Amino acid sequence: ILNVEQSPQSLHVQEGDSTNFTCSFPSSNFYALHWYRWETAKSPEALFVMTLNGDEKKKGRISATLNTKEGYSYLYIKGSQPEDSATYLCALGGAAGNKLTFGGGTRVLVKP
Amino acid sequence: EADIYQTPRYLVIGTGKKITLECSQTMGHDKMYWYQQDPGMELHLIHYSYGVNSTEKGDLSSESTVSRIRTEHFPLTLESARPSHTSQYLCASSEVAGSRPTDTQYFGPGTRLTVL
Repeated sequence: ILNVEQSPQSLHVQEGDSTNFTCSFPSSNFYALHWYRWETAKSPEALFVMTLNGDEKKKGRISATLNTKEGYSYLYIKGSQPEDSATYLCALGGAAGNKLTFGGGTRVLVKP
Repeated sequence: EADIYQTPRYLVIGTGKKITLECSQTMGHDKMYWYQQDPGMELHLIHYSYGVNSTEKGDLSSESTVSRIRTEHFPLTLESARPSHTSQYLCASSEVAGSRPTDTQYFGPGTRLTVL
């Protein structure tokens, strides 16, 4: 089983501040990295899928970068808002049948 | 927006009861999945299906069973619930489309199961 790690496990951010957190994964046999946002009592929602080293994706105030050579991805939130409060999950897409291997998530709480 | 539904959302049940967690999707996706998340832990794949009459076990061993008689429906059953089954169960689906690592999975809201 692949080991996907996310850090920190949780963080508190003041409204308006920017923040970022990390997803680490084995750099060998990399196929794809997914980011999901999971708000309390809702379904996990897909944010990004990245495949190429150096990939950068952006959706509103949220962006992500990918370094497949060293095995990490950063997710950035610019100017955090209370509605950004959620658990952010990263997952590796594998070669066999697009099964996803998830990290433990980073729980973000944006304080007004 | 994804149309994938799970019922019940919350279930508290006694030891030894048989339970079925329902999952339905209206997107016509061939692939469906069940994930289990214990408190404070990662999501782990416990079952998946490539289509009707296809079921496979996932990476995490589970005492639950699944069936896929219709494309849109992928129920999970526990024949005799135990406290160790207390967890959150999430259902997901994706298009087959060659089963690429980049294929997005669409998730339901989950069922939070507590076995007393």
